[in-house]
Amino acid sequence: GENVEQHPSTLSVQEGDSAVIKCTYSDSASNYFPWYKQELGKGPQLIIDIRSNVGEKKDQRIAVTLNKTAKHFSLHITETQPEDSAVYFCAASFTGGGNKLTFGTGTQLKVEL
Amino acid sequence: DGGITQSPKYLFRKEGQNVTLSCEQNLNHDAMYWYRQDPGQGLRLIYYSQIVNDFQKGDIAEGYSVSREKKESFPLTVTSAQKNPTAFYLCASSVNSGGSPDTQYFGPGTRLTVL
Repeated sequence: GENVEQHPSTLSVQEGDSAVIKCTYSDSASNYFPWYKQELGKGPQLIIDIRSNVGEKKDQRIAVTLNKTAKHFSLHITETQPEDSAVYFCAASFTGGGNKLTFGTGTQLKVEL
Repeated sequence: DGGITQSPKYLFRKEGQNVTLSCEQNLNHDAMYWYRQDPGQGLRLIYYSQIVNDFQKGDIAEGYSVSREKKESFPLTVTSAQKNPTAFYLCASSVNSGGSPDTQYFGPGTRLTVL
């Protein structure tokens, strides 16, 4: 089955700096890659997703890039703010797989003042 | 959170007892999912249902059971057979387009503690 690895497990940045979180996946059939943000004690919230027919997608300060050849995708957050502090999860899924998501183990992002 | 509600928010159970977690959605989604989250780990799929009266086992179904009698409801029962049930349980839903993977939306979660 699919395996998703996520790095780093913790990331600390200064306010205003950029943050990058990277994920690799094992199944070349995977074609959908969402990113979720989870605040303490709450459910994950979708922040951005990308499908395999594009290499990059951007939404204001958040962008995701996908390299299908290398089987990795990354989340980029620019101009970080304290409210960006949370745990971020990447995930992967593929058509015909029952819409099952395989998640990475999460990155605890801390934005320091 | 949106149109997905989970209750209760906190649940305490004695060893040997079954307990049922509620998940309701008003998004008119066909598909619903249950995940388990342990500290420092990603989410793992317990069960999922793509349509009413049908459901499939996920990666860690042992010790759990579900039902899907209504489109908007997908309750999860944690049985006494689940050896380590203390965890944060998350319910999700999505449309079921039958094509490319669909976006899953999550509820607020239920934290289950076995005493």
